[in-house]
Amino acid sequence: AQSVTQPDIHITVSEGASLELRCNYSYGATPYLFWYVQSPGQGLQLLLKYFSGDTLVQGIKGFEAEFKRSQSSFNLRKPSVHWSDAAEYFCAVGAGYSSASKIIFGSGTRLSIRP
Amino acid sequence: DTAVSQTPKYLVTQMGNDKSIKCEQNLGHDTMYWYKQDSKKFLKIMFSYNNKELIINETVPNRFSPKSPDKAHLNLHINSLELGDSAVYFCASSQAQGSGELFFGEGSRLTVL
Repeated sequence: AQSVTQPDIHITVSEGASLELRCNYSYGATPYLFWYVQSPGQGLQLLLKYFSGDTLVQGIKGFEAEFKRSQSSFNLRKPSVHWSDAAEYFCAVGAGYSSASKIIFGSGTRLSIRP
Repeated sequence: DTAVSQTPKYLVTQMGNDKSIKCEQNLGHDTMYWYKQDSKKFLKIMFSYNNKELIINETVPNRFSPKSPDKAHLNLHINSLELGDSAVYFCASSQAQGSGELFFGEGSRLTVL
């Protein structure tokens, strides 16, 4: 079964600074990897996904993530954060298309932005 | 037009009561899910339905009973509510099981007193 770990519970960065949120996964085969964002009082929105191919994936809102198989990681990055990026970020892993495939979420990283 | 909508958004009730949450999606997706998010923001899958058929049932107490009258709707009924059921319940849909591109509703915050 797959699992995902987000080691940072809460991160604070200054507006305009760069951001990296960590995600490590465990899965025997090539996983499907995702980053979702949850703004306060809202549901989750998909930022980006990796299924195969280019290991650097671009998402919405200027985010990108890099799949590193050797490190079992899928870290999320943004070169310059904006105050509106303050939210909860979830990394997720899936086992691919199948009748019983589940998407498993990490515990989330709360991002605060310092003015 | 909201893609995945759930009602009610807030639900406050007493222990022992029975309550339902409704979910509808207008995306034409085949698969729908219920997730539970606890106070620590941890998201755990409860159920998934593919074209009205139950696919995933994640060791959820029998007090929770999902029902999918058609592939656009997935409701959650909870009997004999307990304090530990307090959480935010999210409905989600995806085009296919396991595709991972989940579209979430805004959540239904259930508080059991």
